Amino acid sequence: IAGITQAPTSQILAAGRRMTLRCTQDMRHNAMYWYRQDLGLGLRLIHYSNTAGTTGKGEVPDGYSVSRANTDDFPLTLASAVPSQTSVYFCASSTGLAPSDTQYFGPGTRLTVL
Amino acid sequence: GQNIDQPTEMTATEGAIVQINCTYQTSGFNGLFWYQQHAGEAPTFLSYNVLDGLEEKGRFSSFLSRSKGYSYLLLKELQMKDSASYLCAAMDSNYQLIWGAGTKLIIKP
Repeated sequence: IAGITQAPTSQILAAGRRMTLRCTQDMRHNAMYWYRQDLGLGLRLIHYSNTAGTTGKGEVPDGYSVSRANTDDFPLTLASAVPSQTSVYFCASSTGLAPSDTQYFGPGTRLTVL
Repeated sequence: GQNIDQPTEMTATEGAIVQINCTYQTSGFNGLFWYQQHAGEAPTFLSYNVLDGLEEKGRFSSFLSRSKGYSYLLLKELQMKDSASYLCAAMDSNYQLIWGAGTKLIIKP
């Protein structure tokens, strides 16, 4: 693999179910991010990780959790999905946190919660 | 609060020039980014400005005025493949990107 991969590509989920979105990068980037993108709104940061073993909350963290057990993987978990979590979710990574460190995005997961 | 404003949609003609404006208000400032996003795809990096002035990169140029909280993306010699959304994002003092909703650019033959 090259770059960032996300799985699944799309998912329809019943409200109340637990769901984990997967994200893997092979660029040995230290920083990773989860965003959601909704029509008419800008990308919003859910959670981020500066390096393996550390995570932080972004702008809209409620209802989501993350872990960063190693450099490559950064899964996002919805403990009990609600319809307002219907969105397109993008994982991104960057070398570090320096402003000049470009963020590279995965292809996205389109999630529908019914 | 933190805010990024950019036009929702613009239309231009193939071969022409278009300028997409962006104004920003953030808590601290660590640079202004432009990304391109084709429908159904991931955003891809176009440019980064942290100092005032114009940065040119092929057909695309990006300008920044920190005192005015203003940036623009200039696309020259427009091609049909340039039809996409263009996302403006400013990095705040916490090194987090604050994103605009994007400008959908429609290119007509």
